[in-house]
Amino acid sequence: AQSVTQPDIHITVSEGASLELRCNYSYGATPYLFWYVQSPGQGLQLLLKYFSGDTLVQGIKGFEAEFKRSQSSFNLRKPSVHWSDAAEYFCAVGGGSNYKLTFGKGTLLTVNP
Amino acid sequence: DAGVTQSPTHLIKTRGQHVTLRCSPISGHKSVSWYQQVLGQGPQFIFQYYEKEERGRGNFPDRFSARQFPNYSSELNVNALLLGDSALYLCASSSRTAQETQYFGPGTRLLVL
Repeated sequence: AQSVTQPDIHITVSEGASLELRCNYSYGATPYLFWYVQSPGQGLQLLLKYFSGDTLVQGIKGFEAEFKRSQSSFNLRKPSVHWSDAAEYFCAVGGGSNYKLTFGKGTLLTVNP
Repeated sequence: DAGVTQSPTHLIKTRGQHVTLRCSPISGHKSVSWYQQVLGQGPQFIFQYYEKEERGRGNFPDRFSARQFPNYSSELNVNALLLGDSALYLCASSSRTAQETQYFGPGTRLLVL
């Protein structure tokens, strides 16, 4: 069975500081990995995705993520956080002939001025 | 182009009632997936439809059903509502069933009293 673990329920950073959100996955084949962001009361917006190729992927809003197969991880990073980045972040896994996405429980990001 | 649209945005029902939620995919997308997001959790997969056929179903009771129309829009129906059905229901569209990015709508917030 596929699963996603986001170990950090809530992270607080200061504006301008760097950010890393952790994601570990379990999947029996080559995974497709995604990061989505959700603002309060809103749907999910895709930040970035990994299907194959370069293990460092760039996304929107200055985010990037690195796929590490040996660690079953797909951590999200941003070098300098902006107050508008405050939201909940979800990591998800799917892939191959699998039609569904499995999400982690999310990490809530608070940004202090 | 318009993104995924869902209606209604909010809904209040009482226990035992029936509810129908609607979703229109991105133009050109033929696959629609439904997810339930309970407060404080990540989205959980309910159904996927492709070309009007059910291609996958998550671990939800038979009270949940869905269908897809010739124009690729979709309805999610829930019968005999329970308090635990209160959640944000998200619709996502993609161009194919698998190996494709799912783009999410804003969701329908359902409250069951």
